[in-house]
Amino acid sequence: EAQVTQNPRYLITVTGKKLTVTCSQNMNHEYMSWYRQDPGLGLRQIYYSMNVEVTDKGDVPEGYKVSRKEKRNFPLILESPSPNQTSLYFCASSWGQGVGEQYFGPGTRLTVT
Amino acid sequence: KQEVTQIPAALSVPEGENLVLNCSFTDSAIYNLQWFRQDPGKGLTSLLLIQSSQREQTSGRLNASLDKSSGRSTLYIAASQPGDSATYLCAVISYGGSQGNLIFGKGTKLSVKP
Repeated sequence: EAQVTQNPRYLITVTGKKLTVTCSQNMNHEYMSWYRQDPGLGLRQIYYSMNVEVTDKGDVPEGYKVSRKEKRNFPLILESPSPNQTSLYFCASSWGQGVGEQYFGPGTRLTVT
Repeated sequence: KQEVTQIPAALSVPEGENLVLNCSFTDSAIYNLQWFRQDPGKGLTSLLLIQSSQREQTSGRLNASLDKSSGRSTLYIAASQPGDSATYLCAVISYGGSQGNLIFGKGTKLSVKP
């Protein structure tokens, strides 16, 4: 089954404790990206990757890092999480340099206390 | 800067009714427009993708139209069912923005009553 998977699905952590949210897709897509969803603000792009070793900032990159060492994986790293990063996070992937149909993962609900 | 608006924010209809969800965007220079469905506590499910050169797309009971020059799209749902209850989001990818960046509306929360 073609899908985007994320882990963990739920995470509660404390301020400053480094964490990684994993994302993996099995559709051989070149393009992957991360979004966060907040009440009243909607979905906003954090980072994206056009292919292995090619990443760039989206609209709200502050406080986040990403890496793309393999085509199928695109982890999101929060090196020193803060309460304002409490949010629902989605990973997405697409063919065609991001202008094709985009497929989203199930989401990771992160709470930083 | 591209902005996407969805009206109404919420809609409640009886089962069996045909309905239309609206989406408008401020900049007509788009690659495509995509409609999604989001169920509570779940991810986004892609419903339809309309390329900028297309006028409409159909999938089952869903039909999406695109009028790029006026900055509008509609999602038509025929013979609505309680299982259609969800939040519907539209999103566009614009020329000039970061690559593949979907700009989302805030969504329309649909409730279909049995």
